[in-house]
Amino acid sequence: AQSVTQLDSHVSVSEGTPVLLRCNYSSSYSPSLFWYVQHPNKGLQLLLKYTSAATLVKGINGFEAEFKKSETSFHLTKPSAHMSDAAEYFCVVSDRGSSASKIIFGSGTRLSIRP
Amino acid sequence: GAVVSQHPSRVICKSGTSVKIECRSLDFQATTMFWYRQFPKKSLMLMATSNEGSKATYEQGVEKDKFLINHASLTLSTLTVTSAHPEDSSFYICSASGHSLGNIQYFGAGTRLSVL
Repeated sequence: AQSVTQLDSHVSVSEGTPVLLRCNYSSSYSPSLFWYVQHPNKGLQLLLKYTSAATLVKGINGFEAEFKKSETSFHLTKPSAHMSDAAEYFCVVSDRGSSASKIIFGSGTRLSIRP
Repeated sequence: GAVVSQHPSRVICKSGTSVKIECRSLDFQATTMFWYRQFPKKSLMLMATSNEGSKATYEQGVEKDKFLINHASLTLSTLTVTSAHPEDSSFYICSASGHSLGNIQYFGAGTRLSVL
């Protein structure tokens, strides 16, 4: 069975400081892992994905995430937060063995940016 | 990147009426489409999965007669909320995936349904 846990429901950082959004996963198979961002009343935008290639994945808008199998983690980071980064972030796991690509969402982390 | 268009973005209707939401993949063939429901300040809940030309597979607890899903072509899926009631008010989001895109899901912008 697959599951994903986002450890923080809310993270608040000052503009210009680093961002860390934590995610741990559980999967019986080799997982694919994703981070999506959702701005208020909007759909989800794919930030980045891990699908068994390089363990350090770079995404859009300066975000990156590192797949650590030993820690079953896929934390999202950004060196310097921008006001426009304020949004809801979802960590997602998918079973790469599934042709239907069904995915499991984490509960989400709301990122707030202080001026 | 892959573009998924969802329409309408917002709909207000009277209780008892039916509402149709469209989800289109604009630049790829979507072999599978997904419909999610999102409650305020909550994560997305998968309602159903549909493959082109097949009946949708509904998640446990989702009424298939209430939420009719049609996936008639490789670029279009529709969700019809039949006889809508105020408790159906929610944010509905579709996503689409295709073999040409590695089966990654790409999401529409969502539809805010308000039932009066």
